[in-house]
This record gives sequence, structure tokens and C-alpha cells, in this order.
Amino acid sequence: GDSVTQMEGPVTLSEEAFLTINCTYTATGYPSLFWYVQYPGEGLQLLLKATKADDKGSNKGFEATYRKETTSFHLEKGSVQVSDSAVYFCALTSNTGNQFYFGTGTSLTVIP
Amino acid sequence: NAGVTQTPKFQVLKTGQSMTLQCAQDMNHEYMSWYRQDPGMGLRLIHYSVGAGITDQGEVPNGYNVSRSTTEDFPLRLLSAAPSQTSVYFCASSSKGSNQPQHFGDGTRLSIL
Repeated sequence: GDSVTQMEGPVTLSEEAFLTINCTYTATGYPSLFWYVQYPGEGLQLLLKATKADDKGSNKGFEATYRKETTSFHLEKGSVQVSDSAVYFCALTSNTGNQFYFGTGTSLTVIP
Repeated sequence: NAGVTQTPKFQVLKTGQSMTLQCAQDMNHEYMSWYRQDPGMGLRLIHYSVGAGITDQGEVPNGYNVSRSTTEDFPLRLLSAAPSQTSVYFCASSSKGSNQPQHFGDGTRLSIL
């Protein structure tokens, strides 16, 4: 069945460091891919998405490219800030769009 | 624009009690879902609905019931609470279509003693 695997955390970085959070997926057909962010005590918020191969989603300095050949959707940011500290989830939708499949989340802490 | 509203935000129950977690959305979304979030396990789908009158089971449906009598509301019922159901519960909604993102509520933090 469909599934998402993302890198284990927690990840701790210094401010202005480069961030990569790896995400790979297994799916039939052509899923849409998403990154969500969860700040402490809150629900998940959409960070970015890509709906077809080679699409690049971007938002707030974060980017991810839909790579069908490697079934990956890695999240990157060139210079992280303390305010980026949160839990990040990779997700995909099934072909029908009825169900979302989430990774287990990666906790990021950015220290000044 | 309220989005997805969950009530209550916090609840403590005793084993064996029943309760209903409320979820309402004002975006006219067809799809609604309930998840539970446990440490190290990400989000697991409990039940979902693709429209009023239609519900289906997700990954972990046992011990929970849902109904969808209107487009706006999707309540989750715990029939007889157990300590294993201590978790954070999230409701989400989305428009129809595989490229549509889900919109989440702020969650209900539930403890079963």
C-alpha cells in the first residue's frame, strides 16, 4: 500500500545552517506530495505541495522537488531561523484523494 | 474565517466513560478525517468521510464511531474509553481531489485514567 518514510529526528541545527529533511514514498499511480509543519500545541499547517513529477513546491524559504525517479520529496532550506523550530511531516494522497498518508514526523530545533 | 474547529481542547476521562469529540468546518469541504497523534508514530487515520452520509474506516478504527449527517460536522465518539486511547486527536478537512491539501484543527488532548 501507499506509505511515506522520512528521516528520523530529532534534528538540531545552528541558526543560518542548511536544512535537509529526507522523505521517500511508495505509491501506486501519481500521488500528490505535501510537507506540513506543526508548531508546539498546534495543528498541522500546510507548508508546501507538489502535484506532479519535477514540480517544485516552495514557501517561506523552504523548497521540495517531486522526484519520481527516486520517489523522493526532500525538504530543504538554505538558512534556518529559530522560528523554524517545529515538527515537519511529509505526506501523500492516494490516487482517489480519499486518504492522506503521513510520515512519522521530524522534530527540528534551531539554536541561536 | 474559522476553518476547522475542534472542541473540547482538553479532556480527562475515566476508563469506561464515553464521550464525543466535536469537529466542524466552514469551508464546504467534502472530505473530513480523524487522526490520532502519538509520540514516535506520526498521524494515524481513524475514520474518514467523503461526503454527508458516507464514512469509512482508516488504519485504527477500533473503539471509535463516526457519523456525517451534514457537510459541516464530523463528530468522533469514544464508546468505552480505554487508557490506550490517551492521545491527541486531530480533525482535518479538504476539498475533493488528490491535489487538495488537508486543513487541520488545533487538536483535542485526551487523557484516559
